[in-house]
Amino acid sequence: DVVVTQSPLSLPVTLGQPASISCRSSQSLVSSDGNTYLNWFHQRPGRSPRRLINKVSNRDSGVPDRFSGSGSGTDFTLKISRVEAEDVGTYYCMQSSHSSSFGQGTKLEIK
Amino acid sequence: EVQLVESGGGLVKPGESLRLSCAASGFTFKEAWMSWVRQAPGKGLEWVGLIAGNSSGGTTDYAAPVKGRFTISRDDSQNTLSLQMNSLKSEDTAVYYCLTTGGGLWGQGKLVTVSS
Repeated sequence: DVVVTQSPLSLPVTLGQPASISCRSSQSLVSSDGNTYLNWFHQRPGRSPRRLINKVSNRDSGVPDRFSGSGSGTDFTLKISRVEAEDVGTYYCMQSSHSSSFGQGTKLEIK
Repeated sequence: EVQLVESGGGLVKPGESLRLSCAASGFTFKEAWMSWVRQAPGKGLEWVGLIAGNSSGGTTDYAAPVKGRFTISRDDSQNTLSLQMNSLKSEDTAVYYCLTTGGGLWGQGKLVTVSS
């Protein structure tokens, strides 16, 4: 099974400052079809998760351009260029190249 | 409207069974790969399993903790996804979400509580 490890697990950030979350997998996420199925999600308490980024770096419709995804192989990053109040919540990476699995989640809060 | 709406859920005793359903609308369901994900109270997201789309043979895959106890099925004529949960344990207590396998569309979630 692919183990996905996120860091940090807690991320206090000042409004307007950048933030970065790392996601590492126990094996390469390059799928047999050549795609890398690594997605990022944001979840607010009591709400369903919302996908922000699909296949490493593609922003979903309606997602602000302050969110960006990058990486390859086993090492991936979600960056927020300038954190806004609405960005609080928990962020998860999920791989679906080999079955599926989630990272533990990173809780972003405003300092 | 593109949406997934779960039904079912509730309180059951350990060892009992429960079935969740997920009604899909607004997209071509029969070709969609669909998944179930759960979230125990105060915990992170955990993938439960998936079912392939019609043209991929509808094959299934499950996470180790539920393999042999949970079954995912689909009725493409009714645009419905199901999760049959047998031999439930207290550790299966969670909100269960249906979603398209890439995570682009999620249902609202249904709470399943397993307790004596």
